[in-house]
Amino acid sequence: NAGVTQTPKFQVLKTGQSMTLQCAQDMNHEYMSWYRQDPGMGLRLIHYSVGAGITDQGEVPNGYNVSRSTTEDFPLRLLSAAPSQTSVYFCASSATSLWGTEAFFGQGTRLTVV
Amino acid sequence: SQKIEQNSEALNIQEGKTATLTCNYTNYSPAYLQWYRQDPGRGPVFLLLIRENEKEKRKERLKVTFDTTLKQSLFHITASQPADSATYLCALEANQAGTALIFGKGTTLSVSS
Repeated sequence: NAGVTQTPKFQVLKTGQSMTLQCAQDMNHEYMSWYRQDPGMGLRLIHYSVGAGITDQGEVPNGYNVSRSTTEDFPLRLLSAAPSQTSVYFCASSATSLWGTEAFFGQGTRLTVV
Repeated sequence: SQKIEQNSEALNIQEGKTATLTCNYTNYSPAYLQWYRQDPGRGPVFLLLIRENEKEKRKERLKVTFDTTLKQSLFHITASQPADSATYLCALEANQAGTALIFGKGTTLSVSS
């Protein structure tokens, strides 16, 4: 059972380049989210999705685009990378139950923008 | 907007003692609060969830309390072990629908033998 899979694990970009961080889950979860984690800042919500075709902005959406064409996949796009986007990115999936919304995280993508 | 604060960045204790971590929140009345563990280089892992109508929840050596009047949750690890050393994060719903979570900055616990 793979859970949440993120690719790549590491990436170095030059300022202005674009790239897509991939995220896939095999748990048939309706909700998916992207976070960035920076030292001293904790996990900050970038974008999230409540189902295929539906996305919304989180705390720090600027500079990032997302789409959700299938339940399984939720890619995060950086259209023009900036050094301020150097961070560790985590994708999470979750599904609401009577007990709340437990999130399952991928292993992260460490992105460096030079 | 809602805000979560974990008031200790780091906590150092000796093996066998009880570790107590604090999570405070403002501007919101969450239906539940969650605690996660994060090890270096890995994604957070869910530990416990406590609902607003629950005062306390236990799981093995872990105990979580939830005081909606104080807007505070306490996370306890009893009989702590060096393997408990990690960063612990508290989390709340980002919106009323509970479709995403927001996290505190975390408390890094170090248990020395």
